[in-house]
Amino acid sequence: AQSVSQHNHHVILSEAASLELGCNYSYGGTVNLFWYVQYPGQHLQLLLKYFSGDPLVKGIKGFEAEFIKSKFSFNLRKPSVQWSDTAEYFCAVPYNFNKFYFGSGTKLNVKP
Amino acid sequence: DADVTQTPRNRITKTGKRIMLECSQTKGHDRMYWYRQDPGLGLRLIYYSFDVKDINKGEISDGYSVSRQAQAKFSLSLESAIPNQTALYFCATRQREGPYNEQFFGPGTRLTVL
Repeated sequence: AQSVSQHNHHVILSEAASLELGCNYSYGGTVNLFWYVQYPGQHLQLLLKYFSGDPLVKGIKGFEAEFIKSKFSFNLRKPSVQWSDTAEYFCAVPYNFNKFYFGSGTKLNVKP
Repeated sequence: DADVTQTPRNRITKTGKRIMLECSQTKGHDRMYWYRQDPGLGLRLIYYSFDVKDINKGEISDGYSVSRQAQAKFSLSLESAIPNQTALYFCATRQREGPYNEQFFGPGTRLTVL
């Protein structure tokens, strides 16, 4: 069965620190990968996505992610976080074009 | 105006009651999904639908049923609510074509079963 793992459940950083959140998936075929963000009290919004081409994907608000096929990983990064980045981050993989599998999420708390 | 709306936004009910959560979308998407979100578990798929006549079970469909009344409407029912169905419920839509198409989420319904 398909699975998505996010090993960092809760991350606390100070403003201007660098961020890297891990995401690993189990599917061995062609993959499309997504990162969603959920700000406090809000619904999930797309942060960035990968479906082909350059494995380094840039998203909104200065976020980027790198697809490393050999490691089955799609880690999310940001060079310098802001207080407004406080949110929960979810990695997701669509399976068979129909269902999406979501990771358990990583809560990021940025201290001002 | 929001593209994906959910009603109600909050609901408190008692064990054994029947509850319906509704989702409407104006995006014109064929595919609609219901998820529940629990702390530490992320989002888990309950049901999904490709069109009015095509409904499929997700990972955790037991205790739930759905109805796709029209392309734009997808309702989730709890026939007899139980406390462990207390969760945040999200509806999502997705365009038919393209594996790279993302899902668009509604604002969520917070359900508490006492």
